Amino acid sequence: DVKVTQSSRYLVKRTGEKVFLECVQDMDHENMFWYRQDPGLGLRLIYFSYDVKMKEKGDIPEGYSVSREKKERFSLILESASTNQTSMYLCASSHRAVQETQYFGPGTRLLVL
Amino acid sequence: EDQVTQSPEALRLQEGESSSLNCSYTVSGLRGLFWYRQDPGKGPEFLFTLYSAGEEKEKERLKATLTKKESFLHITAPKPEDSATYLCAVHPLKTSYDKVIFGPGTSLSVIP
Repeated sequence: DVKVTQSSRYLVKRTGEKVFLECVQDMDHENMFWYRQDPGLGLRLIYFSYDVKMKEKGDIPEGYSVSREKKERFSLILESASTNQTSMYLCASSHRAVQETQYFGPGTRLLVL
Repeated sequence: EDQVTQSPEALRLQEGESSSLNCSYTVSGLRGLFWYRQDPGKGPEFLFTLYSAGEEKEKERLKATLTKKESFLHITAPKPEDSATYLCAVHPLKTSYDKVIFGPGTSLSVIP
């Protein structure tokens, strides 16, 4: 079974804090993704990585950065958290193939006060 | 512009009352269409991948079908445990990377 894990289920941070969200997958997938999910807006892609040290901006990269130092691990960084970054953050991974399914982690619900 | 819509937005069924959820897509070409189930506060759980028109996949009370413009998720004799949000996602043919487009979802409630 594909397993994607995320470092925290719930996180509460203060405005201006630096926040790290970590994702680990155990299926040797090349691709990893970070999404945020908000009511009425659905799933929106923040960043995508197709290989170690490689990254691509998604639809809403502003205010975020990412790091992929190892194939199995993809980190999302909020350099200076703001209240509008309160959201559910979802990590996903997939094989780099033409029609490959993305598998999701359990999500991290982040509250920025 | 590539787009995915789902209808209805919400659906309330009595236990045992069969129905269908719709996913309509507008893309330049289709690599694959995916269905996910998402329970409140959790990540989406993969259900099916469909690749070409006419294809069907089944899992327990769920059956997914695909045409050139839309996909249906048929739920036969649903049970309360089928209550969840069902997400459809499309992988367009012409993308610079493995990006999928998600629909807004259909929230299904099955009443005992």
